[in-house]
Amino acid sequence: DTGVSQDPRHKITKRGQNVTFRCDPISEHNRLYWYRQTLGQGPEFLTYFQNEAQLEKSRLLSDRFSAERPKGSFSTLEIQRTEQGDSAMYLCASSPSIGITYEQYFGPGTRLTVT
Amino acid sequence: AQTVTQSQPEMSVQEAETVTLSCTYDTSESDYYLFWYKQPPSRQMILVIRQEAYKQQNATENRFSVNFQKAAKSFSLKISDSQLGDAAMYFCAYRAGNNRKLIWGLGTSLAVNP
Repeated sequence: DTGVSQDPRHKITKRGQNVTFRCDPISEHNRLYWYRQTLGQGPEFLTYFQNEAQLEKSRLLSDRFSAERPKGSFSTLEIQRTEQGDSAMYLCASSPSIGITYEQYFGPGTRLTVT
Repeated sequence: AQTVTQSQPEMSVQEAETVTLSCTYDTSESDYYLFWYKQPPSRQMILVIRQEAYKQQNATENRFSVNFQKAAKSFSLKISDSQLGDAAMYFCAYRAGNNRKLIWGLGTSLAVNP
């Protein structure tokens, strides 16, 4: 049973550069979520997909952020023109389409450091 | 807006003892779910226990149990027979019944002393 995987695990970039993260959900899960977690804080919701459709976006997701989930499989989160305030752990989670609680299973996260 | 509050930034417990982590939430929804997640150092978030708001019975998972007080909007986590492996950040999270996103507290860092 392969869980949610994220790549890369760590990314160091210079301010102003673009970065892209990838998330591979559990294969039978059709829902996929992105969260951001800064040091000492709980995760904050960024966006959510059901299959390939992006159904909800947080106001935290500025114009510099874009997420896609082509073909309803893996997802990518791109940050353009990174800023130091973007430094955080980016968490991906997936959940099944059955089961009333739609339990979310998390990946290990991608830690972004913007210098 | 829904909010989740964890008022204990840090807690500690002796191995084999019991500890209770507090969580309160605010919502006007009647249908919702509450969760406790554990995040060990440098490891991924895992679900510890869940509670459906419509269920009066408190959820239990082995050494982990909750005290769900719906009227008080309180959802505390009790860890019995604490083990060294329980040391982690613990997050309380809320999800409205008609929504998918989780709303999180700031977390409680639990240390387990041998």
